[in-house]
Amino acid sequence: NAGVTQTPKFQVLKTGQSMTLQCAQDMNHNSMYWYRQDPGMGLRLIYYSASEGTTDKGEVPNGYNVSRLNKREFSLRLESAAPSQTSVYFCASSEVGGLGSDTQYFGPGTRLTVL
Amino acid sequence: AQSVTQLDSHVSVSEGTPVLLRCNYSSSYSPSLFWYVQHPNKGLQLLLKYTSAATLVKGINGFEAEFKKSETSFHLTKPSAHMSDAAEYFCVVSERAAGNKLTFGGGTRVLVKP
Repeated sequence: NAGVTQTPKFQVLKTGQSMTLQCAQDMNHNSMYWYRQDPGMGLRLIYYSASEGTTDKGEVPNGYNVSRLNKREFSLRLESAAPSQTSVYFCASSEVGGLGSDTQYFGPGTRLTVL
Repeated sequence: AQSVTQLDSHVSVSEGTPVLLRCNYSSSYSPSLFWYVQHPNKGLQLLLKYTSAATLVKGINGFEAEFKKSETSFHLTKPSAHMSDAAEYFCVVSERAAGNKLTFGGGTRVLVKP
């Protein structure tokens, strides 16, 4: 099992450019999440998908969109990147649903710089 | 609403001495509590998890944490620090009533001196 994988690992954008961060999990988990990590602030939830076909806003959704493509894949899109979106982005998944475990498993992260 | 406070942003210990990372939480319901570790330029790895079973939880790499409801605390300890323990540690709370969304503390960066 690869667990949670993310692409790309690093990306540099210019202000106004768009890009999509990809995330996939092979644990048959129902729920998937996108976080951003900024110094001294822990991780903050951007969007999540409790199950295939549903998405909901988290704590800091502005400037982002998401797509739950299927049960395995959950992508995060920046339509018009801004310097404030410079951050490290983590994808996570968890079993949840019914009596499922709420433990989240994290990918290795994408380090994004917006100039 | 749930929240987490990690009382120390930085902790410095000598190799072979005990490590204590302090965490206080606020939750309306019976929460799940986690400690995650993040080594430099890496993702987050689960150290241990509390889910209302035993109040003393043992994790990987010799770490353990004790859930104290009366003090709303979930402190992380290790009897003897190793150089490989140098990392950032996050205390995290989750509630089923909150859709199992995680709330992270601000992190504690651990430095281990030889």
